[in-house]
Amino acid sequence: EAGVTQFPSHSVIEKGQTVTLRCDPISGHDNLYWYRRVMGKEIKFLLHFVKESKQDESGMPNNRFLAERTGGTYSTLKVQPAELEDSGVYFCASSQQGVAEAFFGQGTRLTVV
Amino acid sequence: RKEVEQDPGPFNVPEGATVAFNCTYSNSASQSFFWYRQDCRKEPKLLMSVYSSGNEDGRFTAQLNRASQYISLLIRDSKLSDSATYLCVALQAGTALIFGKGTTLSVSS
Repeated sequence: EAGVTQFPSHSVIEKGQTVTLRCDPISGHDNLYWYRRVMGKEIKFLLHFVKESKQDESGMPNNRFLAERTGGTYSTLKVQPAELEDSGVYFCASSQQGVAEAFFGQGTRLTVV
Repeated sequence: RKEVEQDPGPFNVPEGATVAFNCTYSNSASQSFFWYRQDCRKEPKLLMSVYSSGNEDGRFTAQLNRASQYISLLIRDSKLSDSATYLCVALQAGTALIFGKGTTLSVSS
């Protein structure tokens, strides 16, 4: 069974540009989460989808970040325009409804220069 | 105060040593707890869940003390392959996983 996959694995963009990260959760997992780890800090929650609905987006840093999960399958996280402080590793995770264990993708390492 | 706090680390131990990590959580509504392991430049992976009765998985033992809001992980007979960052994680019902900053373990020969 395929795990959580994320694309791209790395992205280097200039300040002010737009980047879109994609996450494909494990098939059948209704819960999809986005997390971010900035250098030297803990992994921080960004938002949580249940199917196509945003259950909790309290961790989104500002309105430059937009997440979507159309159709309740894959999700995208767009950063527009990117700032230097957006650099970090963005992890996506998924879990089955009612099950606490989450499975993580390998992350997208975003560098804004 | 952060929701989940861990020992600052890093822990540098020789092979065969026993090492213990501690973690505290601030939100008493947290219901489930986990230890995740993260290898360098890899994604976090579930190591084990933590139960009030304590649970053991081979060389790893996890304990939860709800009264003190304290979680621990004990690793016995450390192996080189145990070198990683160990993340203490709390979950409230219906919300997402909340991570501690992680404690780095380095096991040397």
